Amino acid sequence: AQSVTQPDIHITVSEGASLELRCNYSYGATPYLFWYVQSPGQGLQLLLKYFSGDTLVQGIKGFEAEFKRSQSSFNLRKPSVHWSDAAEYFCAVASRYGNKLVFGAGTILRVKS
Amino acid sequence: GAVVSQHPSRVICKSGTSVKIECRSLDFQATTMFWYRQFPKQSLMLMATSNEGSKATYEQGVEKDKFLINHASLTLSTLTVTSAHPEDSSFYICSASWVAGEQYFGPGTRLTVT
Repeated sequence: AQSVTQPDIHITVSEGASLELRCNYSYGATPYLFWYVQSPGQGLQLLLKYFSGDTLVQGIKGFEAEFKRSQSSFNLRKPSVHWSDAAEYFCAVASRYGNKLVFGAGTILRVKS
Repeated sequence: GAVVSQHPSRVICKSGTSVKIECRSLDFQATTMFWYRQFPKQSLMLMATSNEGSKATYEQGVEKDKFLINHASLTLSTLTVTSAHPEDSSFYICSASWVAGEQYFGPGTRLTVT
């Protein structure tokens, strides 16, 4: 069965510092990979996705993620965090043959000034 | 593009009553819609998948008679929580998809059952 692990429940970074949120997945083949962001009481916004090709993908709001097949990882990065980035971030995977998303537990990002 | 709306955004109902939540894809036709439930400080749990014009497929442990899903058109799906109880209080989120692997999420509906 597919599973997604986000090992960090909470992360606190200073505004302007770099950020990396970790995501590992377990799946028999390379799935589709996604990062979503959720502000309190809101739905999910897609930050970026990986389907195939270049393993470094660029997303919105200055985020990027790198797919590493050997590590089954899809970590999210941002070189300089802004206070408005404080939110909860979810990594998700989907089978290439189906539509269902499997989500990680989420990482809450706090930004301190 | 790819905007999904939900209505209502918040609803309070009394125990034993039913409540309907609408999910609409505003600028695309969604062949598949999904309904999720999110408990406080937890991730999203898929409840069911619905394709336009056919019966929804429920995940294991989700009562289909309690959570009625209708996907009557390519832009509208509804979730009806029947005979609601306080334990049904939660944040319900829908998503819509027209391409395999991509889902676009609504803003969610906060249900409180008193």
